[in-house]
Amino acid sequence: AQSVTQLGSHVSVSEGALVLLRCNYSSSVPPYLFWYVQYPNQGLQLLLKYTSAATLVKGINGFEAEFKKSETSFHLTKPSAHMSDAAEYFCAVSAPSTGNQFYFGTGTSLTVIP
Amino acid sequence: KAGVTQTPRYLIKTRGQQVTLSCSPISGHRSVSWYQQTPGQGLQFLFEYFSETQRNKGNFPGRFSGRQFSNSRSEMNVSTLELGDSALYLCASSLGQMNTGELFFGEGSRLTVL
Repeated sequence: AQSVTQLGSHVSVSEGALVLLRCNYSSSVPPYLFWYVQYPNQGLQLLLKYTSAATLVKGINGFEAEFKKSETSFHLTKPSAHMSDAAEYFCAVSAPSTGNQFYFGTGTSLTVIP
Repeated sequence: KAGVTQTPRYLIKTRGQQVTLSCSPISGHRSVSWYQQTPGQGLQFLFEYFSETQRNKGNFPGRFSGRQFSNSRSEMNVSTLELGDSALYLCASSLGQMNTGELFFGEGSRLTVL
């Protein structure tokens, strides 16, 4: 079985500061891991994904995440926050053998303070 | 290329009624998944259809059902609506191969049950 825990339902950072959104996963098989972003009144958009290649994954809009098997973590970072980064972020896990069944975390709302 | 289209975008129903939501995937995508999004619960997987067959099913009661047509369009139905069914229902499409990681989401259908 797979599950995801996102630590911190709300995170606030100042514009220009480091963004760190935490995600820990549980999976009985080697997982695929994803970060999605949701802007108000919109669907989810893929930021980046880990599918067993490089452990440091770079995504869109300057975001990146590092897969750490020993810590079962997949934290999302961005060196410098921009006002446009304010959104809801979801971490998700899936197992390669389960089709397109994804397990999402409960989300982290990111606020960027000018 | 047109994105995932969900209709209707907003609807209001009363307890005991039923509702049908529609999803048109991206052209060429054969997999359609449905998710229920509520505050605090995040996204909960309902079911996934691939080539008109239900490939995966989440842990929802039988009041929630779906189907997929030969053109890959999908519908989900909720019968005997309850107040707790109020949520944003998201549809996501993908090419269909096992876990490519690219789920493309629609903007959702927001259901309010009174």
